[in-house]
Amino acid sequence: DAGVIQSPRHEVTEMGQEVTLRCKPISGHDYLFWYRQTMMRGLELLIYFNNNVPIDDSGMPEDRFSAKMPNASFSTLKIQPSEPRDSAVYFCASSQGSLGQYFGPGTRLTVL
Amino acid sequence: AQSVTQPDIHITVSEGASLELRCNYSYGATPYLFWYVQSPGQGLQLLLKYFSGDTLVQGIKGFEAEFKRSQSSFNLRKPSVHWSDAAEYFCAVGARLMEYGNKLVFGAGTILRVKS
Repeated sequence: DAGVIQSPRHEVTEMGQEVTLRCKPISGHDYLFWYRQTMMRGLELLIYFNNNVPIDDSGMPEDRFSAKMPNASFSTLKIQPSEPRDSAVYFCASSQGSLGQYFGPGTRLTVL
Repeated sequence: AQSVTQPDIHITVSEGASLELRCNYSYGATPYLFWYVQSPGQGLQLLLKYFSGDTLVQGIKGFEAEFKRSQSSFNLRKPSVHWSDAAEYFCAVGARLMEYGNKLVFGAGTILRVKS
């Protein structure tokens, strides 16, 4: 059974560029979560979806960040324009109800 | 609102020794409780979860955790640690009532070092 799939695994970009992170949740899961992890701030929830509908985006840092879930098997997190302070590891996780979240391997983003 | 405290930032144990990682939570009712492990450069892996019933929960990799309502604790244990257990461990709490959303609140993590 495939787990949560994220791409790319590593992304290096220059300040001001648009960055798109991708996530494929586990089939049958109805919740999808986007997190950011840094040494300074730890693990932060950015946004989560239920049945493709955004439920809580209070963790999205600012308007430069946006997330979409066009269907049950795909979600994107976009940063436009990117800044050096966005450098972090971004995780996607999915769950079936509240039965526990399953995390992807993460995307390590470096903004120069 | 839920909160989670992991009092130990770092713990070092000898290989073969027993392990207990502490987790205390704050929640107005019985929550859902989880332990996750994160190895360097990896995502978080679900070790075990408590929803209801038996307060001693068995997980993967030989880990177990015990829910103690009176102490608001959910400590993680392993009888004999292996060098491959060196990682960061996160305790998390989730709300039972969906009206509070389906978010998990994570503790700050405990880094486990294993010495040979």
